[in-house]
Amino acid sequence: GNSVTQMEGPVTLSEEAFLTINCTYTATGYPSLFWYVQYPGEGLQLLLKATKADDKGSNKGFEATYRKETTSFHLEKGSVQVSDSAVYFCALGIWDMRFGAGTRLTVKP
Amino acid sequence: GAVVSQHPSRVICKSGTSVKIECRSLDFQATTMFWYRQFPKQSLMLMATSNEGSKATYEQGVEKDKFLINHASLTLSTLTVTSAHPEDSSFYICSARFERGEIETQYFGPGTRLLVL
Repeated sequence: GNSVTQMEGPVTLSEEAFLTINCTYTATGYPSLFWYVQYPGEGLQLLLKATKADDKGSNKGFEATYRKETTSFHLEKGSVQVSDSAVYFCALGIWDMRFGAGTRLTVKP
Repeated sequence: GAVVSQHPSRVICKSGTSVKIECRSLDFQATTMFWYRQFPKQSLMLMATSNEGSKATYEQGVEKDKFLINHASLTLSTLTVTSAHPEDSSFYICSARFERGEIETQYFGPGTRLLVL
């Protein structure tokens, strides 16, 4: 079945550091891939998505590219801010989604 | 924008009682909603797919008689945890499928934290 393996945290970075959170997947067919973010005390919010191979999703300075050859969808940001502190979830599917374990990111000033 | 609400946001109940959690799509109609469960510091696990006007589809290992789902209208799905036990304590999150023209996405509710004593 479909599944997602996500880099476990927690991850602690200084402000303006480069961020990478790894995500690999196993899937039948070609599902869409997503990154969701959960800020403290809030619900999940869609951060970005890609619907087919080689698509790049981007939002708020975050990027991820759907790599079919490596079955990966790594999340990157060139310069993180304190406000990016949250838990990030990689997910795949169309509607009945499968989530990774989540990676807690803390950005220190 | 589209919003999904959940009520209550937090509930504490005694073991053996039943608890109902509501999930509402506030400004759009959702024929399909989803219920997830999230354990502390863990990922979301899909429990069931709720379809308006028909029976819910449960994931393997989820007891349908324990987690009753009713999708009575296009804007409301309810999850009832029957005869709750401490091991049912968790964070329950719903989501609703949004479709408008070519736009298809899924919006998540803020979650309901259940503590069973």
